[in-house]
Amino acid sequence: AQTVTQSQPEMSVQEAETVTLSCTYDTSENNYYLFWYKQPPSRQMILVIRQEAYKQQNATENRFSVNFQKAAKSFSLKISDSQLGDTAMYFCAFMRGGRGAQKLVFGQGTRLTINP
Amino acid sequence: NAGVMQNPRHLVRRRGQEARLRCSPMKGHSHVYWYRQLPEEGLKFMVYLQKENIIDESGMPKERFSAEFPKEGPSILRIQQVVRGDSAAYFCASSPRPRTYEQYFGPGTRLTVT
Repeated sequence: AQTVTQSQPEMSVQEAETVTLSCTYDTSENNYYLFWYKQPPSRQMILVIRQEAYKQQNATENRFSVNFQKAAKSFSLKISDSQLGDTAMYFCAFMRGGRGAQKLVFGQGTRLTINP
Repeated sequence: NAGVMQNPRHLVRRRGQEARLRCSPMKGHSHVYWYRQLPEEGLKFMVYLQKENIIDESGMPKERFSAEFPKEGPSILRIQQVVRGDSAAYFCASSPRPRTYEQYFGPGTRLTVT
């Protein structure tokens, strides 16, 4: 079974700083996807960024980028020029590719606070 | 195009009552996933349904929980004889087809058992 581990329960940085959230995962699959989701106080799950395992290039979405280290099974999220609106819970998630049910496996989350 | 809709947003039940949570997927989506989020935890998969079929219920508790996705109408997650430990946020996600990474989440239903 796949597992996802986020070792930082909480993080706090000043506005405009850069912050990196860590995530490791365990799988024997070769075809999979990795995701970062944001959950603000509204509790809505918002997809931040997605990475396909077969792609060597790290995904980037505006101020959000990932460092995908497949051999180390590591998938960290970097937020540049952090903003107050980035304050939220962040969840790393894994999804097996190919056939079968495409359920998401989530980590425990990291609570990120951006201070003014 | 409306997103995934869940209702009610908040539900309070006394121990022993039944809870019914509804999920209307995005238009054109025929695949629904239910996840549960206990306080201070990540979401955990419960069940995956297609119209009129349960495809994967490996995350469903063995007793008291059931789910359906009829040909017409929303998907329903039903919890019988609720206990305090059922208090959680329940999220529904939908996707347009199988074997896709696309899952669109609803706003969730927060169930409180008193």
